[in-house]
Amino acid sequence: EDQVTQSPEALRLQEGESSSLNCSYTVSGLRGLFWYRQDPGKGPEFLFTLYSAGEEKEKERLKATLTKKESFLHITAPKPEDSATYLCAASMDSNYQLIWGAGTKLIIKP
Amino acid sequence: ETGVTQTPRHLVMGMTNKKSLKCEQHLGHNAMYWYKQSAKKPLELMFVYNFKEQTENNSVPSRFSPECPNSSHLFLHLHTLQPEDSALYLCASSQDGLNTGELFFGEGSRLTVL
Repeated sequence: EDQVTQSPEALRLQEGESSSLNCSYTVSGLRGLFWYRQDPGKGPEFLFTLYSAGEEKEKERLKATLTKKESFLHITAPKPEDSATYLCAASMDSNYQLIWGAGTKLIIKP
Repeated sequence: ETGVTQTPRHLVMGMTNKKSLKCEQHLGHNAMYWYKQSAKKPLELMFVYNFKEQTENNSVPSRFSPECPNSSHLFLHLHTLQPEDSALYLCASSQDGLNTGELFFGEGSRLTVL
């Protein structure tokens, strides 16, 4: 069964404490892996697309990486404004529909 | 206005009511989507329209009825809902039809069914 699993479910960090969020996927024929950020009371906001193992994308304090089994969202020296729920999703060659993970709620304490 | 706009932002309805959710996108996109988001669960795709044609209906109960009069507007008509239908309903749009994972979401309509 095609599936995307995110861990941990929630992560609390002190401001400046770097860490990583995990998105593991089991899909047949990955077309792309996508990361989104969702603030409370808002819709998800697109962050990154990764297409092949070894690819990396960066934006400010965030860096997304991809292997053949999982993707990581690394956050370096986070600030309180980085607090949000981070969602990942995978698309397959055979089906355009996105398969979503349940998200990781990130809380950065000042 | 820019982006994807959803109205109303909040809706409370009884099980016998009929209401509608509205979505409008000002991005010139060709595809529009309805998603359901429940706490701690993955986003659930409900309906997809590409160039105003419905291309997907993911076994959604008939008490949810979509309507897409043009590429910029999408509605979700609701009737005789159940309490378990309480959730955040998200509208999204995308460029390049369905061959993309880059979706632009609205802020959602928070639905409570009493």
